[in-house]
Amino acid sequence: QKEVEQDPGPLSVPEGAIVSLNCTYSNSAFQYFMWYRQYSRKGPELLMYTYSSGNKEDGRFTAQVDKSSKYISLFIRDSQPSDSATYLCAMSEGAGGTSYGKLTFGQGTILTVHP
Amino acid sequence: DTAVSQTPKYLVTQMGNDKSIKCEQNLGHDTMYWYKQDSKKFLKIMFSYNNKELIINETVPNRFSPKSPDKAHLNLHINSLELGDSAVYFCASIGQGASEQYFGPGTRLTVT
Repeated sequence: QKEVEQDPGPLSVPEGAIVSLNCTYSNSAFQYFMWYRQYSRKGPELLMYTYSSGNKEDGRFTAQVDKSSKYISLFIRDSQPSDSATYLCAMSEGAGGTSYGKLTFGQGTILTVHP
Repeated sequence: DTAVSQTPKYLVTQMGNDKSIKCEQNLGHDTMYWYKQDSKKFLKIMFSYNNKELIINETVPNRFSPKSPDKAHLNLHINSLELGDSAVYFCASIGQGASEQYFGPGTRLTVT
């Protein structure tokens, strides 16, 4: 069993839909939770970052972390064709620059938003 | 001004060959990483260096040898390439105590 599980999809939605992406994890030591977006043939780029449990909102994106359930989510409101990409959840036990800052990624969900 | 750059972008080679991939970051970060992304998009850490010191060494065949000549550069040398080494290799860097890792554009390695 992988340490971080993420449904790879693919997920196809119409423009304007609300998208929900999820990951579950087994390591209770994870404290830092991230969502990365990766366009085709590009490197991942950080979309959202959350420390410990709670919600965080940034424009059309909302990240939620429920440590008691070991479950994290990313919601995209009013989805746009430009949101079409692979979304990767990632987690670490500590901050960057240390061995605890090692990121463990989910498999990534391929999202397509069609006009 | 590319923050994290990798060379080459594409690498096609035959089984048994030895090849190197180079990475450079101009962000002033102390920590750099190598990741491998397989055909199913699964991204897995291989190595990490902090200020030229190896701090993370995952279960990777010893045919893979990283080298960090200074904190802005991290290279990856692969000996005796195998078909299973075909993947996209990403370099990343992060500042001390920061949350965001900055990824390079990737090197697509194909072993035939």
